[in-house]
Amino acid sequence: DQQVKQNSPSLSVQEGRISILNCDYTNSMFDYFLWYKKYPAEGPTFLISISSIKDKNEDGRFTVFLNKSAKHLSLHIVPSQPGDSAVYFCAASGNQFYFGTGTSLTVIP
Amino acid sequence: ETGVTQTPRHLVMGMTNKKSLKCEQHLGHNAMYWYKQSAKKPLELMFVYNFKEQTENNSVPSRFSPECPNSSHLFLHLHTLQPEDSALYLCASSRASQLAGYTDTQYFGPGTRLTVL
Repeated sequence: DQQVKQNSPSLSVQEGRISILNCDYTNSMFDYFLWYKKYPAEGPTFLISISSIKDKNEDGRFTVFLNKSAKHLSLHIVPSQPGDSAVYFCAASGNQFYFGTGTSLTVIP
Repeated sequence: ETGVTQTPRHLVMGMTNKKSLKCEQHLGHNAMYWYKQSAKKPLELMFVYNFKEQTENNSVPSRFSPECPNSSHLFLHLHTLQPEDSALYLCASSRASQLAGYTDTQYFGPGTRLTVL
């Protein structure tokens, strides 16, 4: 049973616009959340994280929002750039990391 | 440069072969992990080592055998695999593992793409 879900397998966005990637989780005990980015033929690379005591964390063009009551996490990328085209995984930390299935983002020049 | 390297990057093996995957981390971390990524599925945690001791085995079949000789190296020994074991095998490391009471970012290697014929 999947504890972390990314319901959109793919997303296309125009360069310069905002990309919003969504993630839902089921376990209210998760206390730390991360986003990873993966290019083809490479392993996932850490992008940004957020602790459950916060509802927002920002790092340059990347912002992660956490809505604990809805058990929902989102990653905003603004402005989107073609180099952001990759697969994005969200992960939640309990006694181990639980990963979503990923969302493939394509940023169109 | 992620600081975590994996060899080989690609491996094709028959069901009767024995092979090993190698992972090395240069980050000074104490926890290392093996994950399996199959198409359209989330990453599945296989094994966790914390300070060279195995602390997690997620019901992995015995045809997968991990070895952690020190905090920097992790191996996955493979024998009599099945075609459904074909997947991307990812190694990761972190300062310490969740079961040790830490919540810490994991850093991944590039993976080994395994094909079992």
